[in-house]
Amino acid sequence: QQPVQSPQAVILREGEDAVINCSSSKALYSVHWYRQKHGEAPVFLMILLKGGEQKGHEKISASFNEKKQQSSLYLTASQLSYSGTYFCGTEIIYPPGAGSYQLTFGKGTKLSVIP
Amino acid sequence: DAGITQSPRYKITETGRQVTLMCHQTWSHSYMFWYRQDLGHGLRLIYYSAAADITDKGEVPDGYVVSRSKTENFPLTLESATRSQTSVYFCASSGRDSGANVLTFGAGSRLTVL
Repeated sequence: QQPVQSPQAVILREGEDAVINCSSSKALYSVHWYRQKHGEAPVFLMILLKGGEQKGHEKISASFNEKKQQSSLYLTASQLSYSGTYFCGTEIIYPPGAGSYQLTFGKGTKLSVIP
Repeated sequence: DAGITQSPRYKITETGRQVTLMCHQTWSHSYMFWYRQDLGHGLRLIYYSAAADITDKGEVPDGYVVSRSKTENFPLTLESATRSQTSVYFCASSGRDSGANVLTFGAGSRLTVL
């Protein structure tokens, strides 16, 4: 049930743009994006809910295609501080009464921004 | 201090020993989670809990036991540690704000099994 992320790694120069993709084989309730710096815990960036509601980060945007069960994270005009590993997490839609929600993460995309 | 704390931060143990990793949060969040992180696998869910006394298995529960007698604590026990359980373990909590599980992670516990 792990979502699939692509690419696995990307190297950017400052100011360049990047797109990270996340796809699932299951119908999704929400897609989350987290960033993890080396040696630190993952930190929440953004969430996209079924139905279009969105929360999150000022300088990073994301889209959620419910029909395709896909999400993309867009990083524009990258900065050195964007470096880290980006994880998408997915919540699957469960039938009513089937149990509580759980968040499953992909394997991550390592982003390196160089001067 | 408010937040989510894990202990110990670092632990070295031997194969076959029992190990307990502690997780404590001060927000009274209903949901708590345990993930393990390994190179090439990302974050994998071990167990999660929707409330005190309610726990459920995640993707990789074998070899682990959890309990949640109080809302604020969610310990993870390795009853007989194996080398394959060498990993970084992250605890997380969520209040299911506005209908979604936004997770806040602890700093992690690095476990080495010799």
